Amino acid sequence: QLQLLESGPGLVKPAETLSLTCTVSGDSISTPNYFWGWVRQPPGKGLEWIGSVYYSGRTFYPPSLESRVTISVDTSKDQFSLRLTSVTAADTAVYYCARATGTASTFSFFYYYTDAWGTGATVTVSS
Amino acid sequence: QSALTQPASVSGSPGQSITISCTGTFRDVGGYYYVSWYQQYPDRAPKLIIYDVSQRPSGVSARFSGSKSGNTASLTISGLQADDEADYYCSSYTTTGALAVFGGGTKLTVL
Repeated sequence: QLQLLESGPGLVKPAETLSLTCTVSGDSISTPNYFWGWVRQPPGKGLEWIGSVYYSGRTFYPPSLESRVTISVDTSKDQFSLRLTSVTAADTAVYYCARATGTASTFSFFYYYTDAWGTGATVTVSS
Repeated sequence: QSALTQPASVSGSPGQSITISCTGTFRDVGGYYYVSWYQQYPDRAPKLIIYDVSQRPSGVSARFSGSKSGNTASLTISGLQADDEADYYCSSYTTTGALAVFGGGTKLTVL
């Protein structure tokens, strides 16, 4: 059974870099047509898709975060990671890692839905 | 990248039906049949309840159904039950870089 587990610091200082890792078990991160993504949810607010990575290393980010976010994959460890630079209080949130199903080919990528989630990691940005 | 637009809240009485809308553009909801819906209880991870506009994953009640017309997708819950009270989010494929976008979420209250 697929499980995703987030790990990383729960407290980050303003202007520093937030780093989280998601460890995947029960399936290979190299399975075709799965994307491995990060979703965050600020306190009392909605879900925000931060971005995703394909096992090939191809990444996908929303324009609003593209300048600050990096998602990488380590297929040898079945892990993928999030780095968010220059954080502010607005980045305080529960961060979920997730598996998304879609299709991937050399020139096209499609997202269908997110079918597995981690339990979430609470990250607070504060001095 | 703007979130898809959902009503902030809806409500209904037990046994009734409610519908939650999710409005996007031709770059996401209107252009593709890759709309999904999620149910989230407080302090829990979201759960997939509808994918590909109208398909239900195994184990999800047939009381949940989805549809789409133009740039707007809809989730209908029939025969409302107390444990349907939760937050509901839509999501769609998007051509604008991130591959995926969520709606702002709708809080369902069962009166």
